Parts: sequence; C-alpha cells; structure tokens
Amino acid sequence: DVKVTQSSRYLVKRTGEKVFLECVQDMDHENMFWYRQDPGLGLRLIYFSYDVKMKEKGDIPEGYSVSREKKERFSLILESASTNQTSMYLCASSLSGNGGTKAYEQYFGPGTRLTVT
Amino acid sequence: GIQVEQSPPDLILQEGANSTLRCNFSDSVNNLQWFHQNPWGQLINLFYIPSGTKQNGRLSATTVATERYSLLYISSSQTTDSGVYFCAVNTGGFKTIFGAGTRLFVKA
Repeated sequence: DVKVTQSSRYLVKRTGEKVFLECVQDMDHENMFWYRQDPGLGLRLIYFSYDVKMKEKGDIPEGYSVSREKKERFSLILESASTNQTSMYLCASSLSGNGGTKAYEQYFGPGTRLTVT
Repeated sequence: GIQVEQSPPDLILQEGANSTLRCNFSDSVNNLQWFHQNPWGQLINLFYIPSGTKQNGRLSATTVATERYSLLYISSSQTTDSGVYFCAVNTGGFKTIFGAGTRLFVKA
C-alpha cells in the first residue's frame, strides 16, 4: 500500500515565524502535491512537483514556497506565517503521467492542522 | 474549467440504511476518484473509477463517463461511515478538481 506521511498532525506557530511542513511518500511516485482545506472553500492546490527540483504553482501559491530535493520528500514552507494561513494542509502523491491507467490516482497523507496565532 | 457537483450536500442516515451519493462533472475526464474524509481529516481512497462499476464490501461505485456522472452506493451504513465523501476528477494534466463533498452522518 502507498504510504504518505506528514511530519506533524497539529502545529501551532506565531505570526511571522518560518514554518516547514514535511511530506514523505514511500512508493516512488513522481508527482507530489500540497493542498489546503478550509471550510466552505474545499481543497485548493498550493503547489505541485512532477520531479526532483521541479515545481509548479497551483491555484493559491502566494505566501508559500516548496522544496523537493529528493524524490520521496516534498516540503511546504511558509516564509512568514500569517493568521490567514491557519488551515488544514494535505499532502498527496501520484505515480506519473506515464503510469498507465493509475497515473493520476492520488494518495493523501493524514494532514497537518496548522494554527497561526 | 471543468465543474464538479456533488449531491446531496448533507445526509443523515439511521444505522443500517442504504444511500446513494452523486457526482456530476461538466467535461470528459481521464480519471475519477471517490474519497472518504474521516473525522480526523485524512482522505481515504475508496475507488479509482474513470468508468464502469466496482465494489468493495458494503461500498460500490459506478461511473457513466458518456453521461458525465458517478454514483457511490453505501449499503447497511455504519456509524464509522460518517464523514465527508469527495469526488475528484482529472482531465489529463496534473490538476485534480474536487467536488464540494457530501457530509454524511450515520446515527446509531
């Protein structure tokens, strides 16, 4: 089974702090994604990566950056946390565009509930 | 872009009842997934079903791609089925579009 893990289930940070959210997958997936989920707004894509050191902006990249130095790890960075970044953050991975019928099947981690005070 | 609509938005069931959740999408899709988000927030994969019918225990799903809808059936519901059910579609690129979800509460 695919396993996607996230570094923290709950995190409380202060405004202005630099925050790192880590995601690791163990199935050699090419693609990795960061979403945030807010009540009434559903899941929104922040960034995704289709290969090591490659990244693309999603729908709401402002205030975030990402890093993918190794295939299995994808980090989300809040350079200077703000209260409007309080949210549930979900990491996902999928095989690749050449993966046949299961290429785009996404697997999610347990999520990180981040509170910025 | 493609629109994904789920119905009903909320559903309350008595334990043991059956239910059908619906997902309509506005364009052709390469894949379609159903997820269950448990009370702790994790999204659990239920089905990867771009077309056809699949069954897994008390759950089954059918996607009719030509008519642009998918159905998720839950039979003999249990309290542990409570949570939010999401339909998500992909049209061939990296981006996956999620519906707003159906919130299910199963009463004991």
